[in-house]
Amino acid sequence: EIVLTQSPGTLSLSPGVRVTLSCRASQSVVTSYLAWYQQRPGQAPRLLIYGASNRATGIPDRFSGSGSGTDFTLTISRLEPEDFAVYYCQQYGSSPLITFGQGTRLEIK
Amino acid sequence: QAQLQASGPGLVKPSETLSLTCTVSGVSISSYYWSWIRQTPGKGLEWIGYIYYSGSTNYNPSLKSRVTISINTSKNQFSLKLSSVTAADTAVYYCAGNELDAFDVWGQGTMVTVSS
Repeated sequence: EIVLTQSPGTLSLSPGVRVTLSCRASQSVVTSYLAWYQQRPGQAPRLLIYGASNRATGIPDRFSGSGSGTDFTLTISRLEPEDFAVYYCQQYGSSPLITFGQGTRLEIK
Repeated sequence: QAQLQASGPGLVKPSETLSLTCTVSGVSISSYYWSWIRQTPGKGLEWIGYIYYSGSTNYNPSLKSRVTISINTSKNQFSLKLSSVTAADTAVYYCAGNELDAFDVWGQGTMVTVSS
C-alpha cells in the first residue's frame, strides 16, 4: 500500500511569506498523478493542483506544484490571509487506487 | 457549475447499513467518475470507492467487503451502502466527482454517527 507522508504537520507563518509544503510517497506515484487540496474549517477540500504541477480552474497563480517519483511540493509564493488552512496531497494509481496524505496545517503566526 | 448534495440518516446503529445518496446537478452524470470519501480526525481523508455512469466500480480494498456504490443516471444520483457499521465508521462523508485522478467537484459533506 502506498503511503503519502506530509511535512511538516503544522506551520506557523505570517502573511506575505513564501511557503513550501512537502509530500513524500512510499513508492513512486504513477505518471505523476499527484494532486493538492486546500481545506478550510467546515468546508470540503478544494482542488488546487493536479498532475503534480497543473493549477485547477480558478486557482491563483501564487499556488504552484512540482515534483515527480516520490517527492512532491506545493509552494505558495506569498501567503494571503485566506490561505491559512489545511493542505492535503493525494495520489492516484497505486493500491489502494486513491490515497491522501495526513495533511499540513498552516496557522497564522 | 456542478453541485453535489449528499443526503441520508445522520445516525446509524452498530451492525446496520449506512446508506447515503448524492444528487448531481449542473453537470452531466457521464462527465465524471463519482466517488465517496470520508474524513475522520484519526484517519484523515479516506477514499471509499467510485462508480462510472456505465456502472463500473472500483473500491478501496480495506472497505471492499462492506461497500456497494450504485448509480441512477435517470435521477442524476449515485449512492453508497456500507454494511455492518461500527463506531469506526463515524465520519463526515463526502461525495465527489473525479476526472479519474483528481477530485474537482465536492459535495458539502454529511456527518454520520454510528451509535446505539
